[in-house]
Amino acid sequence: DAGVIQSPRHEVTEMGQEVTLRCKPISGHDYLFWYRQTMMRGLELLIYFNNNVPIDDSGMPEDRFSAKMPNASFSTLKIQPSEPRDSAVYFCASSSRDSNEKLFFGSGTQLSVL
Amino acid sequence: AQSVTQPDIHITVSEGASLELRCNYSYGATPYLFWYVQSPGQGLQLLLKYFSGDTLVQGIKGFEAEFKRSQSSFNLRKPSVHWSDAAEYFCAVAPYTGGFKTIFGAGTRLFVKA
Repeated sequence: DAGVIQSPRHEVTEMGQEVTLRCKPISGHDYLFWYRQTMMRGLELLIYFNNNVPIDDSGMPEDRFSAKMPNASFSTLKIQPSEPRDSAVYFCASSSRDSNEKLFFGSGTQLSVL
Repeated sequence: AQSVTQPDIHITVSEGASLELRCNYSYGATPYLFWYVQSPGQGLQLLLKYFSGDTLVQGIKGFEAEFKRSQSSFNLRKPSVHWSDAAEYFCAVAPYTGGFKTIFGAGTRLFVKA
């Protein structure tokens, strides 16, 4: 299996632009998570899905952030408009009930908003 | 509130020396407990996990961790550190009742000197 695939690996954009991060979970996994990692706040859970349905989005910082999972093999995290304080590494992870809460992480997207 | 505390921001050990990374958690009941490792530019990889039973759990790469309920601790250990162990280590908890809402500690950066 290829593991969790995230794209792009790096994104540099200007303040006010729309940013879309993409994730392909491991085939057969029915849970998908979006985390944000910064030096100041560490790893924060933004939102997670089960069977393509958002279960908990309490970690989404504000309305500028939105996430979708149109099917079992694809999810997006969108920031519109982006701000410099959104600069961080965004990780996608997937899991299944059989894995006993073990998370499988992608390599992350390094986002820089100038 | 649920929380995970890793009191050491960074630790430096000599190659071949023993290692112990500390982790304390605050939770309503005994949760699932994890240690993950993150190499530079990579996502997190699971080292080991504890759910129930034997309080000393073995993981990959020669790591082990001991759950101590009375101290709400789950410290990670390795008897002899290798230079390739230099990375960031995260302790994490997830609810025993399921739900997958994994909370991570702030991480401990391990430096290994020759």
